[in-house]
Amino acid sequence: NAGVTQTPKFQVLKTGQSMTLQCAQDMNHNSMYWYRQDPGMGLRLIYYSASEGTTDKGEVPNGYNVSRLNKREFSLRLESAAPSQTSVYFCASSEAFTPYGYTFGSGTRLTVV
Amino acid sequence: EDKVVQSPLSLVVHEGDTVTLNCSYEVTNFRSLLWYKQEKKAPTFLFMLTSSGIEKKSGRLSSILDKKELFSILNITATQTGDSAVYLCAVWSGGGADGLTFGKGTHLIIQP
Repeated sequence: NAGVTQTPKFQVLKTGQSMTLQCAQDMNHNSMYWYRQDPGMGLRLIYYSASEGTTDKGEVPNGYNVSRLNKREFSLRLESAAPSQTSVYFCASSEAFTPYGYTFGSGTRLTVV
Repeated sequence: EDKVVQSPLSLVVHEGDTVTLNCSYEVTNFRSLLWYKQEKKAPTFLFMLTSSGIEKKSGRLSSILDKKELFSILNITATQTGDSAVYLCAVWSGGGADGLTFGKGTHLIIQP
């Protein structure tokens, strides 16, 4: 099925550990995004990529890095996880210059202890 | 800084009731406003509104935008337990690559 695939779905990390969240889309979208969702906070943009080879910071980029590996894949890396990064992470993709086809992945629930 | 405010943050009603969810916004370069429904997983798209005064409808759900007063409402009539979800309002204020600015959401609970 066409869509956005995120892995893993669940992860528990110890403070200071590193990990990479993977995201891949098969809709040939140009733009990809990483959001985090915390209780009572809505979704907040971490990083986005307008096209292959470009990435930009969103509202809450501190503590994260991203890589747009190719047009399909956009990964999010936590170099040294902190309890404040406990959240649900969503990847999304869209055609350039329109949010109409915005498609979300199913999310990764990350707990940092 | 772009800002999207939703109210109420939570709402409990009985099945069959009609509900109105509110979304106000302050953005530097408004392009469109979107409503999403989120049921424990990823948000799913409901409506995108670009022009004032034009109501979008889908079954028992409808939404309208007022660009002069900078707000939108989402109405749900004859509510059902399956309408229980978090409803998210988001504003797109630039090129698609800039992402969406989301409100905190309204947690709607429909009691049988």
